[in-house]
Formats: sequence, structure tokens, C-alpha cells
Amino acid sequence: AQSVTQPDIHITVSEGASLELRCNYSYGATPYLFWYVQSPGQGLQLLLKYFSGDTLVQGIKGFEAEFKRSQSSFNLRKPSVHWSDAAEYFCAVGATGGGSNYKLTFGKGTLLTVNP
Amino acid sequence: EPEVTQTPSHQVTQMGQEVILRCVPISNHLYFYWYRQILGQKVEFLVSFYNNEISEKSEIFDDQFSVERPDGSNFTLKIRSTKLEDSAMYFCASRRGEGSGGRNIQYFGAGTRLSVL
Repeated sequence: AQSVTQPDIHITVSEGASLELRCNYSYGATPYLFWYVQSPGQGLQLLLKYFSGDTLVQGIKGFEAEFKRSQSSFNLRKPSVHWSDAAEYFCAVGATGGGSNYKLTFGKGTLLTVNP
Repeated sequence: EPEVTQTPSHQVTQMGQEVILRCVPISNHLYFYWYRQILGQKVEFLVSFYNNEISEKSEIFDDQFSVERPDGSNFTLKIRSTKLEDSAMYFCASRRGEGSGGRNIQYFGAGTRLSVL
């Protein structure tokens, strides 16, 4: 069964500082990997995705993530955080393969607080 | 930009009552999903729906739950007799369909917060 671990429940950074949110997954084959962001009262917005190919993927709002198969990780990074990035971030793995419903398994999320 | 729409945004109900949560998926999408998030916990898969039938469901999705696509646009989740533990945020998602890459992205609605009293 697939699973996702986000080890950091809450991270606080200063505006302008760099950010890295950790995500480790467990899946028997090459996974589809996603990062979603949820602002208060909002739905889940897709930040970026990895399906195949280049292991460094770029997303919206200046975010990027790197797929490292050897470490089963898909960490999210941003070089300079803005106050508007304060939100909860979810890493998810999607099942792949023929006949799969591509259901997503989410981590517990990391709440990001940005100090001025 | 097309989006998934969910109504209502907040539903309050008494224990034992039936509720129907409504979703309008993106119009050319073929696969539909419900997820839920109990406060403080992770987002969990409930059910997937394709070609007018359930394609997969989790162990959470027991006989109290049902899904339906009553017309060409709506996708509903019904909870027949709500329990206190059904209180959660319920997310609807849709996906374009078979193929590689972008067709496998699930787009989520803003959610319906269900409060069972």
C-alpha cells in the first residue's frame, strides 16, 4: 500500500528566507507525486507534479521539487518565501499502472507560518 | 480557468439525518473522486467513480455512503444517517481521463465542511 510521510507538522520561516518541506513516500513502483497547497477556507491547489523524466520539477509561485528515488523523497523548495506563502502544504502520491484509479494518498500536511 | 465547484461550503446537520453534498466537476473530466479530511488529520480517499459506477472505494466508504451522477454535470455524495464522526471537510475532485501527464492530475474543489451535532 502506498503511504506518505511529512515529518514536519509546523514550520516557521522569515519572509525572504529559503524553504524546504520534506516528503517521503512508500510505493512499489514509480509513483506519481504531487504537492498541493491549501490556504484557509480554500480548496487544494496543485503546486507541482512529477510523472516521469527530469527529476527537478518546477511549479507555480516559484516552487520546485526534486524527486530522489534512492531516498524515496520529493521535497518541496522555494528560494525566497513571501508572506502569501503561509498555508498548509500537502504531499501526495498517486497510484500508477493500468486500470489504476490514480487515487491519491496524502501526507498529514505541513503548516507554514511566515514571519515578517 | 475551469474549476470544481462544491456546495454548500458548510453544512450543519443533526446526528441521524441524511445529507447530500454536491459537486460540479470540470466539464470534460471523466473520473470523479470524494476525499475527506477530519480536523487535524490527513486527507483520505473515499471513493472514485467512472462511467456511472464506483471504480474503487475505501474501507471508510460503508453502506451509509453513496455517490451518484444524477445528470451530466453534478456528482453527489450522500450520507444516509450521519454520525458524529462524519464531521469533516469533504473534497470533491475530478480528473480528465486516460493517458499520460496532465490527464492524471486531480483538480479539487474548495470543500464542504460537514458538522454533525
